[in-house]
Amino acid sequence: EAAVTQSPRSKVAVTGGKVTLSCHQTNNHDYMYWYRQDTGHGLRLIHYSYVADSTEKGDIPDGYKASRPSQENFSLILELASLSQTAVYFCASRDWGGANTGQLYFGEGSKLTVL
Amino acid sequence: TQTVSQSDAHVTVFEGDSVELRCNYSYGGSIYLSWYIQHHGRGLQFLLKYYSGNPVVQGVNGFEAEFSKSDSSFHLRKASVHWSDSAVYFCAVSANMGYKLTFGTGTSLLVDP
Repeated sequence: EAAVTQSPRSKVAVTGGKVTLSCHQTNNHDYMYWYRQDTGHGLRLIHYSYVADSTEKGDIPDGYKASRPSQENFSLILELASLSQTAVYFCASRDWGGANTGQLYFGEGSKLTVL
Repeated sequence: TQTVSQSDAHVTVFEGDSVELRCNYSYGGSIYLSWYIQHHGRGLQFLLKYYSGNPVVQGVNGFEAEFSKSDSSFHLRKASVHWSDSAVYFCAVSANMGYKLTFGTGTSLLVDP
């Protein structure tokens, strides 16, 4: 069974503080993604990566950085957290090849509250 | 640029009813379409996908969806829902099987027992 694990699952941060959300996958997938979920907006793509040591901007990258030190790990970094970044963040890996091509495997989410 | 819309934010049905959740997309080329389900407080899980071939695709747990190029739609259906089908359903599109998967805003399905 494909697995994506996120940590922490929940975090409270102060405005202006630094937050790092971590994601680990055991699927051997090349593509990994960070999405944020807000009520009424569905999921919006922040950053993605298709190979270690390289990241790409998604649709809403402002205020976020990403890091992909290995195929298995993909982090989302908020250098200066703001109130508007309160949301649930999802990491996903994407299968590429075979019967499951294109399918995303999601983690359980990281709920971030910025005060 | 691909776009996707789910016109119904909330749908309520009784257990045993049939249901159709609507998804419309906008893109002129080859398109990859999929549906995901999200139970409360959980991550999204894949239900089914379409890229080519038979426009009616079967997914897990009795769900199916039908692709229509003329209507630019990919509606999700289930013949007889169970209370455990209560969840939020997301339609997603990707142009030409590209890296970017764009999600709709979701439809919250409530199944009354």
